[in-house]
Amino acid sequence: EAAVTQSPRNKVAVTGGKVTLSCNQTNNHNNMYWYRQDTGHGLRLIHYSYGAGSTEKGDIPDGYKASRPSQENFSLILELATPSQTSVYFCASGNWGGDYAEQFFGPGTRLTVL
Amino acid sequence: AQSVTQPDARVTVSEGASLQLRCKYSYSATPYLFWYVQYPRQGLQLLLKYYSGDPVVQGVNGFEAEFSKSNSSFHLRKASVHWSDSAVYFCAVSVTGANTGKLTFGHGTILRVHP
Repeated sequence: EAAVTQSPRNKVAVTGGKVTLSCNQTNNHNNMYWYRQDTGHGLRLIHYSYGAGSTEKGDIPDGYKASRPSQENFSLILELATPSQTSVYFCASGNWGGDYAEQFFGPGTRLTVL
Repeated sequence: AQSVTQPDARVTVSEGASLQLRCKYSYSATPYLFWYVQYPRQGLQLLLKYYSGDPVVQGVNGFEAEFSKSNSSFHLRKASVHWSDSAVYFCAVSVTGANTGKLTFGHGTILRVHP
């Protein structure tokens, strides 16, 4: 079965600090995604990647960077964290096209920026 | 750009009752359509998806959804709900013909099932 893991599961950061959220998938999927979930907004796409070495901006990329050093790993980086980035972050992986279009989600990381 | 509307923020039903959760999308062509479920403190799990063919698709745990091109809708249904179905349900769309797999989500519907 598809497996996407995230670390840490919970994080408290200070304003102005650097935060790195990590995601690992063992599905050998090409595509990976970072979303944030906020009440009243559903999930919104921050960054995504087609494969190792590639990153693309999603719908709300401002204040975030992403890194895809390998097929398995995809990180989300907040260089200067702000309280507005307090949220739950989800990573997902998937291949795309035809009948096998689907994304598999990790369990989420709850980030609080004080 | 595509968009998704789930008009009901909260739905409450009694156990054993039937259920319909509504989803309307805005997109010029037929997109990929998905329903995901999120249980408390967990990630999203796929219930079902539509890509082409029979407009009624079956999913896990007795859920089904019907695609309507004329109404731009993809409503989720279940004949008889169980208390364990209490969760948040998200409708999502993705464009066809592109390899990005980018999903656009609705805001979600919180389902509460009275035991």
